[in-house]
Amino acid sequence: GAVVSQHPSWVICKSGTSVKIECRSLDFQATTMFWYRQFPKQSLMLMATSNEGSKATYEQGVEKDKFLINHASLTLSTLTVTSAHPEDSSFYICSARQVREKLFFGSGTQLSVL
Amino acid sequence: GIQVEQSPPDLILQEGANSTLRCNFSDSVNNLQWFHQNPWGQLINLFYIPSGTKQNGRLSATTVATERYSLLYISSSQTTDSGVYFCAVVKAAGNKLTFGGGTRVLVKP
Repeated sequence: GAVVSQHPSWVICKSGTSVKIECRSLDFQATTMFWYRQFPKQSLMLMATSNEGSKATYEQGVEKDKFLINHASLTLSTLTVTSAHPEDSSFYICSARQVREKLFFGSGTQLSVL
Repeated sequence: GIQVEQSPPDLILQEGANSTLRCNFSDSVNNLQWFHQNPWGQLINLFYIPSGTKQNGRLSATTVATERYSLLYISSSQTTDSGVYFCAVVKAAGNKLTFGGGTRVLVKP
């Protein structure tokens, strides 16, 4: 199956700093990537849809100035958590669409903000 | 938006037992996928099954699109089957994958 690489796997940062998470489709081109957030023992909630060469589409309630998404190429999307605070601590996971609507997921990033 | 409900929320099995997980959705879909999330958070694709029946080893899945539900069968469960199973759908004419609440499975030796 298709491979989606996400890194870092985990990151610890101080409050007020910014953190960048990368999501790469290794063996296919992905015109659309998605970013999800997951709190402990909860389901995945879609944060935004990332389209190559255009602005991301954010879900209701997601602050676009806090969660900056850049989809600069057909194989790379990045999520930057700006001025992180402890309440931003969560598991972030990306996915990329292959043909026929099937989605593949990265391994996720555990963010801890101190 | 589309609603996705999974049942049961929790399931404890003895190794070797069989089980059925259910996913109900509130609207027509053009994509339905089952995932297994392991303890490290990795989502593993189990099935892409917007309709019909598929089997992969001890796992099989059936989606009855007209009745808006899907079933995941686990046979002869093993401790490595433990984890959370998610059903996720894309609404017809949409492009967003919406997840159900998951079924947390614990297989005891």
